[in-house]
Amino acid sequence: AQSVSQHNHHVILSEAASLELGCNYSYGGTVNLFWYVQYPGQHLQLLLKYFSGDPLVKGIKGFEAEFIKSKFSFNLRKPSVQWSDTAEYFCAVGLNTGGFKTIFGAGTRLFVKA
Amino acid sequence: NAGVTQTPKFQVLKTGQSMTLQCAQDMNHNSMYWYRQDPGMGLRLIYYSASEGTTDKGEVPNGYNVSRLNKREFSLRLESAAPSQTSVYFCASSEEGQGAYSIQYFGAGTRLSVL
Repeated sequence: AQSVSQHNHHVILSEAASLELGCNYSYGGTVNLFWYVQYPGQHLQLLLKYFSGDPLVKGIKGFEAEFIKSKFSFNLRKPSVQWSDTAEYFCAVGLNTGGFKTIFGAGTRLFVKA
Repeated sequence: NAGVTQTPKFQVLKTGQSMTLQCAQDMNHNSMYWYRQDPGMGLRLIYYSASEGTTDKGEVPNGYNVSRLNKREFSLRLESAAPSQTSVYFCASSEEGQGAYSIQYFGAGTRLSVL
């Protein structure tokens, strides 16, 4: 069965530290890839997406992610985090297995210390 | 432009009670979804509606029913609530394709506790 794995459930960083959140999926076909973010008290919103083309995609607020097809990975990165990046981050994979569906990872809670 | 609106935001039920969660979107999207979010399990799809007039089961449909009332509205009903249904529920919509190739827009969520 298809699945999405996020490596860390909780991450604590100090401001200005670099961030990398891992995401791996298990599916051998064509995928579309998403990172969604949920800030405290807010609804989920799209951070960035990859459908095709350049595997390095840039999103809002200085985030980027790299699709490495050979590793089935779509890791999220930010060179220098801010306190306002405290949130829960969800990786999601869109695929077609005879019907379209989206599978979400379990989420990673990031806490940035000021 | 409100996006996706869910009501209520909070609800406490006793085991066996019923309730309906309401969801409406004003983006003219074809597809709508109901998810539940549980700690350590991410978002799991309960039901979805690919277009007006159609509904399909997702990953965890047991104990729930849905109605796609029109293109804007998609409601989720718990007929006889159980403690295992304590969760945060999110409604979402997208242009098409079950969010597989289009962005999903989420509501603010409903925090439900079943005692």
